[in-house]
Amino acid sequence: DAMVIQNPRYQVTQFGKPVTLSCSQTLNHNVMYWYQQKSSQAPKLLFHYYDKDFNNEADTPDNFQSRRPNTSFCFLDIRSPGLGDAAMYLCATSRGRMQETQYFGPGTRLLVL
Amino acid sequence: SQQGEEDPQALSIQEGENATMNCSYKTSINNLQWYRQNSGRGLVHLILIRSNEREKHSGRLRVTLDTSKKSSSLLITASRAADTASYFCATGGIQGAQKLVFGQGTRLTINP
Repeated sequence: DAMVIQNPRYQVTQFGKPVTLSCSQTLNHNVMYWYQQKSSQAPKLLFHYYDKDFNNEADTPDNFQSRRPNTSFCFLDIRSPGLGDAAMYLCATSRGRMQETQYFGPGTRLLVL
Repeated sequence: SQQGEEDPQALSIQEGENATMNCSYKTSINNLQWYRQNSGRGLVHLILIRSNEREKHSGRLRVTLDTSKKSSSLLITASRAADTASYFCATGGIQGAQKLVFGQGTRLTINP
């Protein structure tokens, strides 16, 4: 089945220690997104790739970076995690324009110690 | 600022009853979508309704859209315990902010 896969499902890191979250998709969609979701809050868009074009949200901290080496994979790098970065990180894809249906992965829960 | 606001924030009903959730937004939209999120999981797309549509059905789900009032409602009929989840509306813009903007969600609990 075509899907969006996120690994790992749970990630524990130490304060200030770089961490990378992974996302892959078998849908062959052009657009991939990273959202941050804190408890009982709406998902907050961090950035997205339209093909190879990277688009950062204005309020995304510099601490967050992303890479998309090919159509199928996208990575979220947190260079120096702080306690406030503990959250669920959701990867999503869409076929084309951003306002169309998005398909989400199961998420990675990040814990910062 | 947040585009969609959902009401109520939490809803608890008995199994078999109908559940209605509402979403209001502020600017013109291309479409409005509803997503479900089970605890600790990703979001699952339920329905997309375009700005020129007024009502849409999918199984036990019914979505209405009133662009004059900038509001939408999601009705789940004959609720089941498995419907327990958070439900988010998301608006797709037509100019400028073409991204999806999510509301804060409604936490729905179905009691057996």
